[in-house]
Amino acid sequence: QQPVQSPQAVILREGEDAVINCSSSKALYSVHWYRQKHGEAPVFLMILLKGGEQKGHEKISASFNEKKQQSSLYLTASQLSYSGTYFCGTEKRRNNFNKFYFGSGTKLNVKP
Amino acid sequence: NAGVTQTPKFQVLKTGQSMTLQCAQDMNHEYMSWYRQDPGMGLRLIHYSVGAGITDQGEVPNGYNVSRSTTEDFPLRLLSAAPSQTSVYFCASGVGAGELFFGEGSRLTVL
Repeated sequence: QQPVQSPQAVILREGEDAVINCSSSKALYSVHWYRQKHGEAPVFLMILLKGGEQKGHEKISASFNEKKQQSSLYLTASQLSYSGTYFCGTEKRRNNFNKFYFGSGTKLNVKP
Repeated sequence: NAGVTQTPKFQVLKTGQSMTLQCAQDMNHEYMSWYRQDPGMGLRLIHYSVGAGITDQGEVPNGYNVSRSTTEDFPLRLLSAAPSQTSVYFCASGVGAGELFFGEGSRLTVL
């Protein structure tokens, strides 16, 4: 049920770009992206509701390909503050109930 | 604004003991859920609720019970704690298909 994320870990230098991928074997209704700093709770980044839609602001954006059941998170010109673990979350509906499942996470480490 | 409040933040139990993790939200969210987080496993859904009196199982429900008597509260009960339940537990709430708001987490150790 959990979506699959790749890569598991990324090490970047400040200013470099990164892409984190999320895929599911089940049909997706929406995709969420969250970031979690060490010892803290996950924090919402964005949600994508429609196939092919790309959302984001500043230097973090994401795309959602409903047909391929995939989403990608794009981090451009990374900053030290981007470090953390990124989770994609997918929503599945059963009997009008929404279940949110999360991937295993991608650990991003941005170095000076 | 309190948001989602979890208690306790830390708990140590002995095998076989029972306990309840409390979760309360003040945002009038219909959707509430419990996740456990283990190294390399991400966030795994235990139970969730779409409103008072309505709950359903997630991916890893065994050993846990929930109930939802009010919109604000969604407690998670461990009936007979086992070392495999050592984990960090997060409660989250939200509205429909929107953003989930997480509590700060409860770190549970079962000896």
